[in-house]
Amino acid sequence: DIVLTQSPLSLPVTPGEPASISCRSSQSLLHSNGYDYLDWYLQKPGQPPQLLIYLGSTRASGVPDRFSGSGSGTDFTLKISRVEAEDVGIYYCMQGQESPRTFGQGTKLEIK
Amino acid sequence: QVQLVQSGAEVKKPGASVRVSCKASGYNFTDNYIHWVRLVSGQGLEWMGWINPKRGRTEYAQKFQGRVTMTRDTAINTVYMDFRSLTSDDTAVYYCARRGLDLVGFDTWGQGTKVIVSA
Repeated sequence: DIVLTQSPLSLPVTPGEPASISCRSSQSLLHSNGYDYLDWYLQKPGQPPQLLIYLGSTRASGVPDRFSGSGSGTDFTLKISRVEAEDVGIYYCMQGQESPRTFGQGTKLEIK
Repeated sequence: QVQLVQSGAEVKKPGASVRVSCKASGYNFTDNYIHWVRLVSGQGLEWMGWINPKRGRTEYAQKFQGRVTMTRDTAINTVYMDFRSLTSDDTAVYYCARRGLDLVGFDTWGQGTKVIVSA
């Protein structure tokens, strides 16, 4: 199975400051069609996960533009340009390159 | 609007089975695969498998092969996940999630169903 390793696992951030989460894959997530099959999700307290980014860098519908995804192959990054209080929760990366789909361990973002 | 509504919380004894339902609305039910993902407390998200509502074809994570069955009823736009031989390790919140078209990820999630397995 593909292993996704996120860092950091805990991320305290001051509102208005940027934040960055890394997701490293044990195998390349670059499909033969040229797309990286890597998604980012945010699970806010008491809610189901919500899709933020798919195919490594495409923002999902309705997601604020302060969220951006980058990377290719085995190294990916989720960036928040200016953290807001509503961004607290656990961030997960997930690969769809091969079955079984696997998730990173999660990164808990909290407000300082 | 697109919505997935799941059945309510369940409490089961070890060795029992559980059925979780996921009713879709707001879109053409057979257009999108439905996946099941669980959240075990302190362990993060875990993918269980998917079902193609159009043809009923399924794929399960090897970890759950033999214990999980995903089915659908197209007449009522509902997907079911049957999970048997439950143990305390299966205590979790179970989510259904719709895979978006055109390579989009899981763009809509059910509210989650808490399953507690306890003697």
